[in-house]
Amino acid sequence: SAVISQKPSRDICQRGTSLTIQCQVDSQVTMMFWYRQQPRQSLTLIATANQGSEATYESGFVIDKFPISRPNLTFSTLTVSNMSPEDSSIYLCSASGLARTDTQYFGPGTRLTVL
Amino acid sequence: QKEVEQDPGPLSVPEGAIVSLNCTYSNSAFQYFMWYRQYSRKGPELLMYTYSSGNKEDGRFTAQVDKSSKYISLFIRDSQPSDSATYLCAMSVSQGNLIFGKGTKLSVKP
Repeated sequence: SAVISQKPSRDICQRGTSLTIQCQVDSQVTMMFWYRQQPRQSLTLIATANQGSEATYESGFVIDKFPISRPNLTFSTLTVSNMSPEDSSIYLCSASGLARTDTQYFGPGTRLTVL
Repeated sequence: QKEVEQDPGPLSVPEGAIVSLNCTYSNSAFQYFMWYRQYSRKGPELLMYTYSSGNKEDGRFTAQVDKSSKYISLFIRDSQPSDSATYLCAMSVSQGNLIFGKGTKLSVKP
């Protein structure tokens, strides 16, 4: 399967600041997704990153808080804006279209702590 | 009722044991069923993928889907300490929004 990388792997940020997380896939994929994984909670889909158009957000997530870009078929960014301690979480990107099953493969995650 | 229910454990077994992990779900429209394995501080790794009902075997792992009961299982035979991880079930209606269980933390003791 393809390799999915994320930067940064972890960060500690101050309240009110923003952080941009990058996701790079080593081959072209049809779909890319962003998830949040909070302690003792299910992995939750934030949005689908659409190439060349605005992302599709799930209920409870808005573009102003989590702007997403996807300039091409191998790269996407997620920004966590105006952070608060409640945003402390692991953020994961995934991609599909890498194999015949078209199921999703995940990156290693970005561990974010907001003070 | 949550869409996907999974016992978080933790589950501790001796090496060589057969492990049974389960999830129940409420949405009868789910067609795609997956099991992911997640080691500490790593991203989820796809372990098994099943479309619709039936069994699928891959080495020591067997995935079962019973759509009539809305119940999926993952069996691990001859469990090894390297199998110690959190196992996440996931399912979807189409090839998009995956709905995950909370994960079951498994520990295999030597």
